[in-house]
Amino acid sequence: NAGVMQNPRHLVRRRGQEARLRCSPMKGHSHVYWYRQLPEEGLKFMVYLQKENIIDESGMPKERFSAEFPKEGPSILRIQQVVRGDSAAYFCASSPPASETQYFGPGTRLLVL
Amino acid sequence: GQNIDQPTEMTATEGAIVQINCTYQTSGFNGLFWYQQHAGEAPTFLSYNVLDGLEEKGRFSSFLSRSKGYSYLLLKELQMKDSASYLCAVRGAAGNKLTFGGGTRVLVKP
Repeated sequence: NAGVMQNPRHLVRRRGQEARLRCSPMKGHSHVYWYRQLPEEGLKFMVYLQKENIIDESGMPKERFSAEFPKEGPSILRIQQVVRGDSAAYFCASSPPASETQYFGPGTRLLVL
Repeated sequence: GQNIDQPTEMTATEGAIVQINCTYQTSGFNGLFWYQQHAGEAPTFLSYNVLDGLEEKGRFSSFLSRSKGYSYLLLKELQMKDSASYLCAVRGAAGNKLTFGGGTRVLVKP
């Protein structure tokens, strides 16, 4: 049973470009969470999605950031017009319905030049 | 809101025991988690406590006191591979999101 998959593992963008981060949850998991980890800091919640629904986006910056989890395919975290401060590791986690435990993917390390 | 506190760093000797404390102040509580994270890797699930008491899982144990807003992770018979960051996270009463502490970096020395 494959774990949570994220790609790309590393992404380099120049300021002003767009970044698209993909997350495929574990088989049977319909809940997806995105977290951001800045250098030397803890994980910060961004958004919680179920298939085709955003359940909680209280941690998402109001501008430039969006997330989706379509009926088919992976969840996408999209960052428009990236700035240097967006450089971080972005982790996706998934859980099955009615489960407390979230399982994390390997993360995408975004570097904005 | 949520506030999670844990020490920044701890050092211990191979074969010894280390206890990592975590205190939290939350507007609601629906479980506390411990994760292990090696540098550059994903957090991996270690334990979950929602009721008071001690949960033991091999060399690792986790304790929770809800009235004190306190948990600890106990690592026994330390091995070099246990050198990692240990993350304490609380799930609030509303929703599934986890609020993480800053993590405790544990260095195991020979």
